[in-house]
Amino acid sequence: AQKITQTQPGMFVQEKEAVTLDCTYDTSDQSYGLFWYKQPSSGEMIFLIYQGSYDEQNATEGRYSLNFQKARKSANLVISASQLGDSAMYFCAMREVEGQAGTALIFGKGTTLSVSS
Amino acid sequence: EPEVTQTPSHQVTQMGQEVILRCVPISNHLYFYWYRQILGQKVEFLVSFYNNEISEKSEIFDDQFSVERPDGSNFTLKIRSTKLEDSAMYFCASSEGGITDTQYFGPGTRLTVL
Repeated sequence: AQKITQTQPGMFVQEKEAVTLDCTYDTSDQSYGLFWYKQPSSGEMIFLIYQGSYDEQNATEGRYSLNFQKARKSANLVISASQLGDSAMYFCAMREVEGQAGTALIFGKGTTLSVSS
Repeated sequence: EPEVTQTPSHQVTQMGQEVILRCVPISNHLYFYWYRQILGQKVEFLVSFYNNEISEKSEIFDDQFSVERPDGSNFTLKIRSTKLEDSAMYFCASSEGGITDTQYFGPGTRLTVL
């Protein structure tokens, strides 16, 4: 079974609009961390935002916010006021056993976001 | 801002040859990782390294692979006897530990095995 599921292979949005990228996860651990990374066409992996399983508030980092619904096991990324530079592949990832450093990240298959003017 | 660096950016090799991919993690980080991404597919964990030893490895990381921290700054991935299916982007990452333990990735090395 997939640990991280990203059901949207591609998303399209107009500049300045908000967009939500979906991510659901599967774990039996009570303690875990969720991450979003951006991969532009140049190939590097850029960390965007983190949400711990025990965090009561949704994480925010500038234009990025994470809509965390623990009971539904979803961790959707919301990008507000999209910019052309947001066009990239976005990966959701999970680290099981939050607080245990050095643990592998498990990635989803990614969602390609295209922002048009 | 400190960043993870990787060399080379692109490596082309013949099947059966050995390759060494190099990484310089962020200087105060304690945990180091290698991941790979076959073209168009998801990122897969290979190995993590802490305190000069492997702390976790995936089933992909078989005897063909090895990692080493030869000095205080470099972290290497060696692939012996490369196969066509080893062609992929290889990412090095590092983290400093702690509760969040965010992993920061390098720009990757694209390995092409002919």
